[in-house]
Amino acid sequence: LAKTTQPISMDSYEGQEVNITCSHNNIATNDYITWYQQFPSQGPRFIIQGYKTKVTNEVASLFIPADRKSSTLSLPRVSLSDTAVYYCLVTDSWGKLQFGAGTQVVVTP
Amino acid sequence: DSGVTQTPKHLITATGQRVTLRCSPRSGDLSVYWYQQSLDQGLQFLIHYYNGEERAKGNILERFSAQQFPDLHSELNLSSLELGDSALYFCASSPRDGEETQYFGPGTRLLVL
Repeated sequence: LAKTTQPISMDSYEGQEVNITCSHNNIATNDYITWYQQFPSQGPRFIIQGYKTKVTNEVASLFIPADRKSSTLSLPRVSLSDTAVYYCLVTDSWGKLQFGAGTQVVVTP
Repeated sequence: DSGVTQTPKHLITATGQRVTLRCSPRSGDLSVYWYQQSLDQGLQFLIHYYNGEERAKGNILERFSAQQFPDLHSELNLSSLELGDSALYFCASSPRDGEETQYFGPGTRLLVL
């Protein structure tokens, strides 16, 4: 599995857009990029997944450049409840997830 | 609510003991995954079962074992417990073998004294 690198923490104010960039230089051809959110003492929650270009759902957007060596999770207009740890993962066809340290996002008023 | 249930929510036991953690996947999901989350190791993949068969192993100790039953629920057995086994244990499920999206349960918090 490709190793991922993402910032340890990010701070933001309510209503701002938060962009978290993750690098995955060794991503394989068939790997997907997946982001999870985790609140303290809760299980991770799936946010978004993509293979290339741009993916958007009701909570986030995922931007993946052509070389797929990085990806950016975009959280529009964050609120206090978006304070959590965000994990970037590269998932292979066998479903095995390898979590890194994640990015602690803190949203303040 | 992900639809994945785990019991018990909390478990306190002593070193050397054996415990069983239970997981019920979302309705219709055939795959079950187990993860361990501790402060110093983060979230670690332990093992994956699909429709009753073991599919992949991660950082699972020999003292730990798991199985998936015909009704698709799964159990993780932890034996000869050590202080370092204290952690949150998560179960996740997905519809198929190798399905990329996994749905996590609320976890079982194990404390070994």
